[in-house]
Amino acid sequence: NAGVMQNPRHLVRRRGQEARLRCSPMKGHSHVYWYRQLPEEGLKFMVYLQKENIIDESGMPKERFSAEFPKEGPSILRIQQVVRGDSAAYFCASSPRPMNTEAFFGQGTRLTVV
Amino acid sequence: AQTVTQSQPEMSVQEAETVTLSCTYDTSENNYYLFWYKQPPSRQMILVIRQEAYKQQNATENRFSVNFQKAAKSFSLKISDSQLGDTAMYFCAFMPEGAQKLVFGQGTRLTINP
Repeated sequence: NAGVMQNPRHLVRRRGQEARLRCSPMKGHSHVYWYRQLPEEGLKFMVYLQKENIIDESGMPKERFSAEFPKEGPSILRIQQVVRGDSAAYFCASSPRPMNTEAFFGQGTRLTVV
Repeated sequence: AQTVTQSQPEMSVQEAETVTLSCTYDTSENNYYLFWYKQPPSRQMILVIRQEAYKQQNATENRFSVNFQKAAKSFSLKISDSQLGDTAMYFCAFMPEGAQKLVFGQGTRLTINP
């Protein structure tokens, strides 16, 4: 059973471009969580999704950021018109049920905006 | 709002020594979970140990144990017989029961020296 898979591991974008980060949850997991880790900081919650539904997006910036978890395929975190301040590591976690204590993290995507 | 504070940005010990990482948190919740995560240079977030607040007994996992003081809102991690592979960032995290998101501290960078 493969773990949570995130790709790409590293992503470089120029200011103003779009970034698309993918997360494939563990098999049998229908709950996905995205976190952002700025340099030298802890992870900060962004959004929680179930299949086809956004449950809690209280940590998402109001503009340029969106997330989806379609019926088929991976969860996508999309950042439009990236700026330098978006440079961070973005982590995805998945769980078989609403986040209890069984969430597993992926290895993250490091986004660098140049 | 819940907050998690790790007051030691960096620590360094010799191999085989015992080290304790501190963590305090602030919440008005009565039921919650506490976690320690390890983040090695690979960036993978690895769950080290977790504690349910309603359990008085301190959790242990091999060389890792916690000292959970609910009244003081303190949750320290003790690593016994430290090994070179323990070198990593360590994050303390909090989650209210029934919630869907983790609140992380700022992290402690632990270095085990040969």
